[in-house]
Amino acid sequence: AQSVTQPDIHITVSEGASLELRCNYSYGATPYLFWYVQSPGQGLQLLLKYFSGDTLVQGIKGFEAEFKRSQSSFNLRKPSVHWSDAAEYFCAVGVYGQNFVFGPGTRLSVLP
Amino acid sequence: SQTIHQWPATLVQPVGSPLSLECTVEGTSNPNLYWYRQAAGRGLQLLFYSVGIGQISSEVPQNLSASRPQDRQFILSSKKLLLSDSGFYLCAWSVGGTNYNEQFFGPGTRLTVL
Repeated sequence: AQSVTQPDIHITVSEGASLELRCNYSYGATPYLFWYVQSPGQGLQLLLKYFSGDTLVQGIKGFEAEFKRSQSSFNLRKPSVHWSDAAEYFCAVGVYGQNFVFGPGTRLSVLP
Repeated sequence: SQTIHQWPATLVQPVGSPLSLECTVEGTSNPNLYWYRQAAGRGLQLLFYSVGIGQISSEVPQNLSASRPQDRQFILSSKKLLLSDSGFYLCAWSVGGTNYNEQFFGPGTRLTVL
């Protein structure tokens, strides 16, 4: 069955530390990959997307993600976390002919 | 530019009462439209999607229904709310003709059923 997993339910990092959020997918076809961020009580905002080409993708707010086909992963990274990055992060996968599938989300807490 | 609106922003309803949530999109034509529900501390569950006026696909059986009376209007309804209908409802749109492209989300409606 097709699926998207985010192994970490909750991550806590100190402000200024680096961050990596994991995302793994299980699809037979080449997927389109996305990361969204959701602040409490808000809708989802697109951080970045990967369709093809360079496997390292730059997004908004200083985030980047790397697509690794061999590992079926699309991990999100940020070199230095800010307190305003505290939010819920969702990985999503789109495959031609099918609807999006969202991962369960990872909640990020940032310590001052 | 495109914008997506949802209303109301918050809603408190008694069990058994009807529901109508509205979503409208501006600045695009023939979008795909989606309704998601997000229960407390949970991920997103796709409820309905629509590729055109009057075309609704349901992803999960439930007491909710959706309608698309106009190209850029998507309505989520219920005749009788259940406690389990409480949650955060998100409407989203994507470019028509594809269903794997990025989706753009509205601000959401917080529904509490008492």
